[in-house]
Amino acid sequence: GENVEQHPSTLSVQEGDSAVIKCTYSDSASNYFPWYKQELGKGPQLIIDIRSNVGEKKDQRIAVTLNKTAKHFSLHITETQPEDSAVYFCAAPGTGFQKLVFGTGTRLLVSP
Amino acid sequence: DAGITQSPRYKITETGRQVTLMCHQTWSHSYMFWYRQDLGHGLRLIYYSAAADITDKGEVPDGYVVSRSKTENFPLTLESATRSQTSVYFCASSESGNEYGYTFGSGTRLTVV
Repeated sequence: GENVEQHPSTLSVQEGDSAVIKCTYSDSASNYFPWYKQELGKGPQLIIDIRSNVGEKKDQRIAVTLNKTAKHFSLHITETQPEDSAVYFCAAPGTGFQKLVFGTGTRLLVSP
Repeated sequence: DAGITQSPRYKITETGRQVTLMCHQTWSHSYMFWYRQDLGHGLRLIYYSAAADITDKGEVPDGYVVSRSKTENFPLTLESATRSQTSVYFCASSESGNEYGYTFGSGTRLTVV
């Protein structure tokens, strides 16, 4: 089955800096890669996703890149703000039934 | 209110007791999921359901039971709670045809003492 690894586990940046979180996956047939943001005390919320037919997708300050050959994808946050502080999860499809396999999460801390 | 709701938000129970976590969604989404979140493990799938009366095991199903008699409800039962089941539990749903577009509930923090 699919295995997703996520790095780093924690990331501290200054406000205005960029942040990059990386994930690798094992199943070359995987074709959908979402990123979720989890704020304190809340459930994860989908913030951006990418399908395997594109290499990059942007939405304002966030972007996701995909390298199918290397089987890794990354979340890029530019001009970070304190409200970006949260835990971020990457995911990839599991076997059957719309299942997702999640990475172990990255705690991002943006300091003013 | 529309959405996906979990109850209770917090629960403390004793080892060996049975406890049920509730999940209710108002969208009539076909797919529903239960994940547990533990430090260092991220989100791990316990059980999932593709429709009413169709359920299957995920990655960590041992000690848990689910049912789905109605599309909108997907309760998770710990038959005999153990300390290793202390965790935060999240329910999620997605509609058929909207691949993987999960919406998560706010979670239930369960402590087994």
